[in-house]
Amino acid sequence: AQSVTQPDIHITVSEGASLELRCNYSYGATPYLFWYVQSPGQGLQLLLKYFSGDTLVQGIKGFEAEFKRSQSSFNLRKPSVHWSDAAEYFCAVGVGGENNDMRFGAGTRLTVKP
Amino acid sequence: DSGVTQTPKHLITATGQRVTLRCSPRSGDLSVYWYQQSLDQGLQFLIQYYNGEERAKGNILERFSAQQFPDLHSELNLSSLELGDSALYFCASSVVGGASGTQYFGPGTRLTVL
Repeated sequence: AQSVTQPDIHITVSEGASLELRCNYSYGATPYLFWYVQSPGQGLQLLLKYFSGDTLVQGIKGFEAEFKRSQSSFNLRKPSVHWSDAAEYFCAVGVGGENNDMRFGAGTRLTVKP
Repeated sequence: DSGVTQTPKHLITATGQRVTLRCSPRSGDLSVYWYQQSLDQGLQFLIQYYNGEERAKGNILERFSAQQFPDLHSELNLSSLELGDSALYFCASSVVGGASGTQYFGPGTRLTVL
């Protein structure tokens, strides 16, 4: 069955430090991969997505993610974190052909220290 | 602002009751998805509609039902409510119904069952 794993429940980084959030998926074919961010009390906002082509994907707010087929991973990175990046981050995989049965990871909560 | 609207923002009701959550997709989007977000289950896909027809079903209970109307807005009906149904319910919409369709999320409806 398709699944998404985010191994880190909670990560704390200092403002200005680099960030990497891990995501691993389980799916037979090449999936559609997404990263969403959820600020407290808000809905989910799409950061970036990977469908095919260049495995390094650029998103909004300075985020990027790299698809590594050999490791079944789609890790999210940012070179310098801002206090406003504190939020919950969800990795998701779109499967199911015509039916967009999207599976989400459990999420990683990011805390940014001043 | 994603362009997806959900009403009401908050809903407090009692066990055994029935409620209806409403979602208006972004202009031009044909597909609507419903998700439930709770502390213990995370973000769970419930059901998808595409242009008025049910397209995919996820972890939706038999007590829950949904529909999409000709004007493309959607309603999620929750009946015989239990304490465990307390959660954030999100609606998302996308232009296409397949796995490649980027989903845009509404702000959610927080349901509290007392």
